[in-house]
Amino acid sequence: TQLLEQSPQFLSIQEGENLTVYCNSSSVFSSLQWYRQEPGEGPVLLVTVVTGGEVKKLKRLTFQFGDARKDSSLHITAAQPGDTGLYLCAGYSGAGSYQLTFGKGTKLSVIP
Amino acid sequence: NAGVTQTPKFRVLKTGQSMTLLCAQDMNHEYMYWYRQDPGMGLRLIHYSVGEGTTAKGEVPDGYNVSRLKKQNFLLGLESAAPSQTSVYFCASSWAPGQPNQPQHFGDGTRLSIL
Repeated sequence: TQLLEQSPQFLSIQEGENLTVYCNSSSVFSSLQWYRQEPGEGPVLLVTVVTGGEVKKLKRLTFQFGDARKDSSLHITAAQPGDTGLYLCAGYSGAGSYQLTFGKGTKLSVIP
Repeated sequence: NAGVTQTPKFRVLKTGQSMTLLCAQDMNHEYMYWYRQDPGMGLRLIHYSVGEGTTAKGEVPDGYNVSRLKKQNFLLGLESAAPSQTSVYFCASSWAPGQPNQPQHFGDGTRLSIL
């Protein structure tokens, strides 16, 4: 069974601060996805990273896939209250796989 | 823009009762999934389907059954509900075979309490 470990589990920061969330595994994934989930709603895809070493930017969010495709990070610059939510990483284990393995999530609170 | 619709949104059951959760998607997706989300446990796959008429077990299938008689619908059944099945249930769907790394589209969940 492939596992994805997310850290930290909880994060509370002031508006304007920077933060990084980590997603680590001992297994190789063909791709990793990051989702954000708000209270009372389902997860919504933010990004998919496929190539080892890949970096993708989405406004103030920067996503990186590790060179060995075993880990990923999400960096938020100048966090805003609208960034509050549960961030989930999820990975596909193989090119033909259709099952996602989810991490347990990082609950982020950005205080105005 | 309906996407993935789950019904009901909330339900309270007594131990031993049965019920069916309905998931409907209007995106013509081939794959559909049922997850449960518990505090500190993340999303765990219960059952999934890779096409109409097919179903398969996920990580935590015990106590649940599923059916996919129509491509757009995926039903999750609890035959004899137990308190351990108190959870938030999410349905998701994704696109086509042969296309890797597809995003999954989620419904807004069904909050189920078993007393």
